[in-house]
Amino acid sequence: GQNIDQPTEMTATEGAIVQINCTYQTSGFNGLFWYQQHAGEAPTFLSYNVLDGLEEKGRFSSFLSRSKGYSYLLLKELQMKDSASYLCAGLDSNYQLIWGAGTKLIIKP
Amino acid sequence: GAVVSQHPSWVICKSGTSVKIECRSLDFQATTMFWYRQFPKQSLMLMATSNEGSKATYEQGVEKDKFLINHASLTLSTLTVTSAHPEDSSFYICSARVEAGGESQPQHFGDGTRLSIL
Repeated sequence: GQNIDQPTEMTATEGAIVQINCTYQTSGFNGLFWYQQHAGEAPTFLSYNVLDGLEEKGRFSSFLSRSKGYSYLLLKELQMKDSASYLCAGLDSNYQLIWGAGTKLIIKP
Repeated sequence: GAVVSQHPSWVICKSGTSVKIECRSLDFQATTMFWYRQFPKQSLMLMATSNEGSKATYEQGVEKDKFLINHASLTLSTLTVTSAHPEDSSFYICSARVEAGGESQPQHFGDGTRLSIL
């Protein structure tokens, strides 16, 4: 079956760095997405990786290892507004998105 | 770019009422749109994939006669919850993908519709 695994909840301190991991098992693979979802709001697109390596976008970076079926989202210089759920989603061979349950990130002052 | 508008943002109505939710791609065309439902503190659940000019593809366990989807143009899809009951109360979110660039394009989400059935 297809599956996306990510931690349920993480806590970090304002100004610090946090890494949110995601492992995936999909039927074929056409890339991996990360979305941010604040409570009560819809998800917003953060990043897309299809090749191995690190993609950097400001304070946020996303990494992919296809051989390990593994990705992470790295958030630097954490701000209180980064408190949200972070959703990992894999795109399978039929271009269907397989969603993870999301990681709730709590930022403490 | 890639803005998706969803309306209404909040609906409160009596049990037995039918509710229509609109999803529009404002600055791009979308042959395919997606409808999700999300219960509190749970993950997104795909309900159906809406295809312009043809029937929607529903996920297993989603009643197509209860959740009517119409995708009559390249910029508009509608979801109608027919004869809604309290258990249909949820956060409904649509998304669309920019067609140019292929199927690996990210889905862009509307702001969601919070549906409360009394």
